[in-house]
Amino acid sequence: DIQMTQSPSSLSASVGDRVTITCQASQDISNYLNWYQQKPGKAPKLLIYDASNLETGVPSRFSGSGSGTDFTFTISSLQPEDIATYYCQQYDNLPRTFGPGTKVDIK
Amino acid sequence: QVQLQESGPGLVKPSETLSLTCTVSGGSISSYYWSWIRQPAGKGLEWIGRIYTSGSTNYNPSLKSRVTMSVDTSKNQFSLKLSSVTAADTAVYYCAREGLGQSLDYWGQGTLVTVSS
Repeated sequence: DIQMTQSPSSLSASVGDRVTITCQASQDISNYLNWYQQKPGKAPKLLIYDASNLETGVPSRFSGSGSGTDFTFTISSLQPEDIATYYCQQYDNLPRTFGPGTKVDIK
Repeated sequence: QVQLQESGPGLVKPSETLSLTCTVSGGSISSYYWSWIRQPAGKGLEWIGRIYTSGSTNYNPSLKSRVTMSVDTSKNQFSLKLSSVTAADTAVYYCAREGLGQSLDYWGQGTLVTVSS
């Protein structure tokens, strides 16, 4: 299985701050990476696919980059509604695997 | 707008079989992979497996010996069976569509299944 790691595991930032989360794969996954947002009590929501493509309807303050084994997810200006846990997920190989998540809250 | 809804018992006894169904509305079930993912309380997401509308399946090796998935295209439904459950199988179970880009683009709201006697 491809192992996914994320850092940090949690972060606290102020409204308007730039927030960056990193995700690392245990082997080269090209750009076969998704980012999901999960709010408490809700299902995950796809934000970014193919490492850097914004899903339709997702605000442009969200972005992703990277390829190979190292990826970055950025919120350019943190908003109160962005409080959630963010997960990366690879789809290069089966089984699909997720990172452990990064919990984002407001300072 | 595609919508998914999980249904099934919320309580299963240890050693028995967990059975869930996901009903797809607002679109055809055909020509997609349909997935099951679970999440224990306070923990991360675990991919259980997926089924194509032809019936072809891929399971997570960690659960493969206990998992069976099926699809009923006439009802726009697909199902999960997990046998010999233990307390470790207690989780919120989600169904999701794997879109053409292989991303999980539509999700059900999730259903909590508790394994307890």
